[in-house]
Amino acid sequence: EAQVTQNPRYLITVTGKKLTVTCSQNMNHEYMSWYRQDPGLGLRQIYYSMNVEVTDKGDVPEGYKVSRKEKRNFPLILESPSPNQTSLYFCASAREPGPQHFGDGTRLSIL
Amino acid sequence: AQKVTQAQTEISVVEKEDVTLDCVYETRDTTYYLFWYKQPPSGELVFLIRRNSFDEQNEISGRYSWNFQKSTSSFNFTITASQVVDSAVYFCALSGHGRSASKIIFGSGTRLSIRP
Repeated sequence: EAQVTQNPRYLITVTGKKLTVTCSQNMNHEYMSWYRQDPGLGLRQIYYSMNVEVTDKGDVPEGYKVSRKEKRNFPLILESPSPNQTSLYFCASAREPGPQHFGDGTRLSIL
Repeated sequence: AQKVTQAQTEISVVEKEDVTLDCVYETRDTTYYLFWYKQPPSGELVFLIRRNSFDEQNEISGRYSWNFQKSTSSFNFTITASQVVDSAVYFCALSGHGRSASKIIFGSGTRLSIRP
């Protein structure tokens, strides 16, 4: 089954404790991207990647890192999480520009 | 700078009515892409359509249709004979071209409620 898998689905953690949200797709897609969704602010792109080792900043990259060492994986790294990064996060992939297949979302709470 | 405006925050219609969701965009690019996404109450994001700026033909997919008008910078979405399952938040989005083709911005969304 074609899918984008994010883990964890839910996480409550504390300020400053490094965390990684994993994202994996099994469709051999070149394009992958990360988004956050906040009430009143809608959906905003954090980072995107057009292929292995090619990543670019989206609208809200501050406080986040990504890597694309393999085509299937695109982890989102919060090196020193802060409460303003409490949000719902989505990973996505596609064969062409623009997200088409989304993960189920990761709800992060940073205390 | 690019911008997407969905002026309709919430729309409520009775089942079987037709409903149009408006999307107006701003961009200086001559080549760009437009998208629509659906987010039902269960929370997942569903891709509906991707449209290249050079392709101004309207698109129809079942009860869904999209009207792209470059002259008014609009990419409106119509649901014909709406059903309760169409209740969701709908997002319009815009991306650039080349290396920016993957850099995407979203409108604020329109919450559509279909009453039985």
